[in-house]
Amino acid sequence: QSALTQPASVSGSPGQSITISCTGTSSDVGGYDFVSWYQHHPGKGPKLMIYDVTNRPSGVSNRFSGSKSGNTASLTISGLQAEDEADYYCSSYAGGPNFYVFGSGTKVTVL
Amino acid sequence: QVQLVESGGGVVQSGSSLRLSCAASGFSLKDYAMHWVRQAPGTGPEWVAIMSHDESQIYYHDSVRGRFTISRDSSRNTLYLQMDSLRLEDTAVYFCARVKDNGGWHNFGYWGQGTLVTVSS
Repeated sequence: QSALTQPASVSGSPGQSITISCTGTSSDVGGYDFVSWYQHHPGKGPKLMIYDVTNRPSGVSNRFSGSKSGNTASLTISGLQAEDEADYYCSSYAGGPNFYVFGSGTKVTVL
Repeated sequence: QVQLVESGGGVVQSGSSLRLSCAASGFSLKDYAMHWVRQAPGTGPEWVAIMSHDESQIYYHDSVRGRFTISRDSSRNTLYLQMDSLRLEDTAVYFCARVKDNGGWHNFGYWGQGTLVTVSS
Protein backbone atom coordinates (compact mmCIF):
# COMPACT_ATOMS: atom_id res chain seq x y z
CA GLN A 1 0.00 0.00 0.00
CA SER A 2 1.37 3.39 -1.07
CA ALA A 3 2.16 5.78 1.72
CA LEU A 4 0.90 8.96 0.07
CA THR A 5 -2.71 9.37 -1.05
CA GLN A 6 -3.55 10.69 -4.49
CA PRO A 7 -6.84 10.74 -6.39
CA ALA A 8 -7.04 7.84 -8.82
CA SER A 9 -7.98 10.05 -11.74
CA VAL A 10 -8.34 13.68 -12.75
CA SER A 11 -9.59 14.94 -16.07
CA GLY A 12 -9.89 18.24 -17.86
CA SER A 13 -10.46 19.79 -21.25
CA PRO A 14 -7.64 21.29 -23.30
CA GLY A 15 -6.69 24.70 -21.96
CA GLN A 16 -8.17 24.10 -18.53
CA SER A 17 -6.24 23.84 -15.26
CA ILE A 18 -6.24 20.78 -13.04
CA THR A 19 -4.78 20.11 -9.61
CA ILE A 20 -3.58 16.78 -8.22
CA SER A 21 -3.35 16.41 -4.46
CA CYS A 22 -0.88 14.28 -2.52
CA THR A 23 -1.69 13.73 1.14
CA GLY A 24 0.78 12.34 3.64
CA THR A 25 1.61 12.90 7.27
CA SER A 26 3.79 15.10 9.43
CA SER A 27 6.48 12.41 9.07
CA ASP A 28 6.82 12.90 5.34
CA VAL A 29 5.06 15.61 3.30
CA GLY A 30 4.42 17.84 6.29
CA GLY A 31 7.82 17.37 7.84
CA TYR A 32 10.15 18.17 4.94
CA ASP A 33 10.24 20.42 1.89
CA PHE A 34 11.34 17.51 -0.30
CA VAL A 35 8.21 16.71 -2.28
CA SER A 36 8.69 15.84 -5.93
CA TRP A 37 6.36 14.99 -8.81
CA TYR A 38 6.82 12.62 -11.73
CA GLN A 39 5.09 12.20 -15.08
CA HIS A 40 4.98 8.63 -16.36
CA HIS A 41 3.97 7.49 -19.80
CA PRO A 42 3.61 3.68 -19.81
CA GLY A 43 6.63 1.88 -21.20
CA LYS A 44 8.93 4.82 -20.57
CA GLY A 45 10.91 5.99 -17.58
CA PRO A 46 9.22 8.52 -15.30
CA LYS A 47 10.16 12.19 -15.74
CA LEU A 48 10.86 14.61 -12.91
CA MET A 49 8.45 17.55 -13.17
CA ILE A 50 8.78 19.29 -9.79
CA TYR A 51 11.31 18.91 -6.96
CA ASP A 52 11.66 20.42 -3.50
CA VAL A 53 7.92 21.25 -3.52
CA THR A 54 8.02 24.13 -5.99
CA ASN A 55 11.11 23.90 -8.20
CA ARG A 56 10.88 23.06 -11.87
CA PRO A 57 13.83 21.42 -13.67
CA SER A 58 15.08 23.14 -16.77
CA GLY A 59 13.16 21.99 -19.81
CA VAL A 60 9.89 21.38 -17.93
CA SER A 61 7.06 23.62 -19.06
CA ASN A 62 6.08 26.47 -16.74
CA ARG A 63 2.53 25.17 -17.04
CA PHE A 64 3.50 22.79 -14.24
CA SER A 65 3.69 24.16 -10.71
CA GLY A 66 3.88 22.71 -7.21
CA SER A 67 2.83 23.79 -3.75
CA LYS A 68 2.35 22.45 -0.24
CA SER A 69 0.12 23.18 2.72
CA GLY A 70 0.51 21.17 5.87
CA ASN A 71 0.52 17.48 5.05
CA THR A 72 -0.82 17.92 1.51
CA ALA A 73 1.19 18.78 -1.58
CA SER A 74 -0.34 19.71 -4.92
CA LEU A 75 0.64 19.69 -8.58
CA THR A 76 -1.18 22.10 -10.86
CA ILE A 77 -1.16 21.79 -14.62
CA SER A 78 -2.41 24.89 -16.37
CA GLY A 79 -3.33 25.19 -20.03
CA LEU A 80 -3.89 21.44 -20.22
CA GLN A 81 -2.58 19.84 -23.42
CA ALA A 82 -3.08 16.41 -24.98
CA GLU A 83 0.55 15.53 -24.28
CA ASP A 84 -0.06 15.96 -20.55
CA GLU A 85 -2.15 12.79 -20.51
CA ALA A 86 -0.14 10.39 -18.34
CA ASP A 87 0.17 8.97 -14.85
CA TYR A 88 1.51 11.32 -12.19
CA TYR A 89 3.17 10.31 -8.92
CA CYS A 90 4.24 12.34 -5.94
CA SER A 91 7.10 11.43 -3.67
CA SER A 92 8.41 12.74 -0.38
CA TYR A 93 11.47 12.28 1.77
CA ALA A 94 10.38 10.55 4.98
CA GLY A 95 13.53 10.23 7.04
CA GLY A 96 14.81 6.84 8.18
CA PRO A 97 14.51 3.92 7.92
CA ASN A 98 12.50 3.94 4.69
CA PHE A 99 13.76 7.17 3.29
CA TYR A 100 11.32 7.89 0.50
CA VAL A 101 7.62 7.30 -0.01
CA PHE A 102 5.54 7.56 -3.17
CA GLY A 103 1.94 8.21 -3.94
CA SER A 104 -0.53 5.78 -5.41
CA GLY A 105 -0.62 7.66 -8.69
CA THR A 106 -3.14 9.78 -10.57
CA LYS A 107 -4.19 9.17 -14.14
CA VAL A 108 -4.67 12.46 -15.96
CA THR A 109 -7.06 12.36 -18.89
CA VAL A 110 -7.40 15.17 -21.39
CA LEU A 111 -10.98 15.15 -22.61
CA GLN B 1 22.88 13.46 -22.30
CA VAL B 2 22.02 11.37 -19.26
CA GLN B 3 20.98 7.85 -20.13
CA LEU B 4 20.20 4.89 -17.89
CA VAL B 5 19.55 1.42 -19.27
CA GLU B 6 18.45 -1.40 -16.97
CA SER B 7 18.81 -5.07 -17.79
CA GLY B 8 18.81 -8.46 -16.11
CA GLY B 9 15.15 -8.89 -15.34
CA GLY B 10 13.28 -12.12 -15.98
CA VAL B 11 11.11 -14.86 -14.51
CA VAL B 12 12.62 -16.63 -11.51
CA GLN B 13 11.36 -18.96 -8.80
CA SER B 14 10.76 -17.91 -5.25
CA GLY B 15 13.93 -18.22 -3.19
CA SER B 16 16.29 -17.72 -6.10
CA SER B 17 18.64 -14.86 -6.98
CA LEU B 18 18.92 -12.32 -9.77
CA ARG B 19 21.29 -9.44 -10.53
CA LEU B 20 20.04 -6.31 -12.23
CA SER B 21 22.34 -3.93 -14.07
CA CYS B 22 21.96 -0.24 -14.84
CA ALA B 23 24.36 1.05 -17.48
CA ALA B 24 24.88 4.78 -17.12
CA SER B 25 26.11 7.17 -19.80
CA GLY B 26 26.46 10.91 -20.09
CA PHE B 27 27.80 11.22 -16.53
CA SER B 28 29.97 9.38 -14.01
CA LEU B 29 28.45 7.29 -11.22
CA LYS B 30 31.30 8.63 -9.05
CA ASP B 31 29.65 12.05 -9.10
CA TYR B 32 26.02 11.30 -8.21
CA ALA B 33 23.95 9.33 -5.73
CA MET B 34 21.89 6.59 -7.33
CA HIS B 35 18.59 4.97 -6.38
CA TRP B 36 16.79 1.75 -7.20
CA VAL B 37 12.99 2.05 -7.29
CA ARG B 38 10.43 -0.64 -8.09
CA GLN B 39 6.82 -0.62 -9.14
CA ALA B 40 4.57 -3.63 -8.74
CA PRO B 41 1.66 -4.01 -11.17
CA GLY B 42 -1.16 -1.60 -10.44
CA THR B 43 0.61 0.17 -7.57
CA GLY B 44 2.68 3.27 -7.02
CA PRO B 45 6.47 3.12 -7.02
CA GLU B 46 8.41 1.94 -3.97
CA TRP B 47 11.89 3.15 -3.12
CA VAL B 48 14.31 0.23 -2.73
CA ALA B 49 17.85 1.48 -2.09
CA ILE B 50 20.28 4.37 -2.43
CA MET B 51 24.05 4.59 -2.81
CA SER B 52 25.92 7.86 -2.29
CA HIS B 53 28.31 9.13 -4.96
CA ASP B 54 31.34 7.91 -2.99
CA GLU B 55 29.72 4.60 -1.89
CA SER B 56 30.14 5.64 1.75
CA GLN B 57 26.42 5.67 2.46
CA ILE B 58 24.07 2.89 1.45
CA TYR B 59 20.52 2.48 2.68
CA TYR B 60 17.74 0.00 1.99
CA HIS B 61 14.00 -0.21 2.40
CA ASP B 62 12.99 -2.47 5.30
CA SER B 63 11.37 -4.93 2.89
CA VAL B 64 14.66 -5.74 1.12
CA ARG B 65 17.30 -5.09 3.77
CA GLY B 66 19.45 -8.20 4.21
CA ARG B 67 18.32 -9.70 0.88
CA PHE B 68 19.26 -7.04 -1.70
CA THR B 69 22.66 -5.42 -2.24
CA ILE B 70 23.36 -2.27 -4.23
CA SER B 71 26.82 -1.90 -5.74
CA ARG B 72 28.62 -0.44 -8.73
CA ASP B 73 31.52 -1.00 -11.09
CA SER B 74 33.01 2.42 -11.73
CA SER B 75 35.18 1.14 -14.58
CA ARG B 76 32.01 0.06 -16.41
CA ASN B 77 29.96 3.00 -15.08
CA THR B 78 27.32 0.45 -14.15
CA LEU B 79 25.10 0.17 -11.07
CA TYR B 80 23.90 -3.21 -9.82
CA LEU B 81 21.19 -4.63 -7.61
CA GLN B 82 21.88 -8.14 -6.36
CA MET B 83 18.60 -9.69 -5.27
CA ASP B 84 18.71 -12.85 -3.15
CA SER B 85 16.00 -14.92 -1.47
CA LEU B 86 13.42 -13.49 -3.86
CA ARG B 87 9.79 -13.51 -2.78
CA LEU B 88 6.54 -13.33 -4.73
CA GLU B 89 6.08 -9.76 -3.48
CA ASP B 90 9.33 -8.70 -5.16
CA THR B 91 7.59 -8.97 -8.54
CA ALA B 92 7.84 -5.51 -10.10
CA VAL B 93 9.42 -3.34 -12.73
CA TYR B 94 12.76 -2.17 -11.34
CA PHE B 95 14.10 1.25 -12.24
CA CYS B 96 17.45 2.83 -11.53
CA ALA B 97 17.38 6.58 -11.06
CA ARG B 98 19.97 9.31 -10.67
CA VAL B 99 19.49 12.25 -8.36
CA LYS B 100 19.00 15.52 -10.20
CA ASP B 101 22.10 17.27 -8.87
CA ASN B 102 25.14 16.16 -6.95
CA GLY B 103 24.16 18.49 -4.12
CA GLY B 104 21.18 16.55 -2.81
CA TRP B 105 19.57 13.15 -2.71
CA HIS B 106 15.91 13.85 -2.27
CA ASN B 107 14.61 13.42 -5.77
CA PHE B 108 14.77 11.04 -8.70
CA GLY B 109 16.04 13.27 -11.46
CA TYR B 110 16.62 10.79 -14.29
CA TRP B 111 15.15 7.32 -14.74
CA GLY B 112 15.78 4.33 -16.92
CA GLN B 113 12.95 2.55 -18.70
CA GLY B 114 12.92 -0.29 -16.18
CA THR B 115 13.35 -4.05 -16.24
CA LEU B 116 10.63 -6.51 -15.22
CA VAL B 117 11.27 -9.07 -12.50
CA THR B 118 8.65 -11.77 -12.04
CA VAL B 119 8.95 -14.14 -9.11
CA SER B 120 6.90 -17.32 -9.42
CA SER B 121 6.07 -20.06 -6.97
